[in-house]
Amino acid sequence: DIVMTQSPLSLPVTPGEPASISCRSSQSLLHSNGNNYLAWYLQKPGQSPQLLVYLGSNRASGVPDRFSVSGSGTGFTLKISRVEAEDVGVYYCMQTLETPFTFGPGTKVDFK
Amino acid sequence: QVQLVQSGAEVKKPGASVKVSCKASGYTFSSYGITWVRQAPGQGLEWMAWINVHNGNTNYAQKNQGRLTMTTDTSTSTAYMELRSLRSDDTAVYYCARGRWELRDFDFWGQGTLVTVSS
Repeated sequence: DIVMTQSPLSLPVTPGEPASISCRSSQSLLHSNGNNYLAWYLQKPGQSPQLLVYLGSNRASGVPDRFSVSGSGTGFTLKISRVEAEDVGVYYCMQTLETPFTFGPGTKVDFK
Repeated sequence: QVQLVQSGAEVKKPGASVKVSCKASGYTFSSYGITWVRQAPGQGLEWMAWINVHNGNTNYAQKNQGRLTMTTDTSTSTAYMELRSLRSDDTAVYYCARGRWELRDFDFWGQGTLVTVSS
């Protein structure tokens, strides 16, 4: 199985400041078709997960442009340009290159 | 609007089975797949399985293979997840989510169903 790791696991942030989360995979998620099979989800407190990004860098419908993703292959970074109150929660990266799909351990983002 | 509404919480004894339903509305049910993800108390997310609603093809995480069955009823736009031979470590919130295999994105999620396995 592909192992996903994230860092940091906890990220205290200041509203209005930038934040970034790193995600690494044990093998490349870059398919021969040019897609990176990497998705990001945010689970807000007490809620179901919600899709933020799919196929490496494509923001899902309704996701603000303050969220961006860079990287390819085995290393990816989710960046929030200016953290807002609604961004707190646990962020998970997930590989969807091969089954079983696997999630990272999650990064908890909350305010300092 | 797209909605996935799951059945209510369950309490089961070890060795029993549980069947969780996920009723979809607001879109053409057979045009998307359904995936199931679970989350043990205080833990992260674990992908369990995927079903192509259109043709019924399934893909299960090997750790659950043999105990897990996913089905769909297109007449009621409902997906089902049945887990058998329950153990205490199956205690978790179970989520269904809509997805597109070609994009591998799960864009709408159910509210979750808590399954508690306890003697």
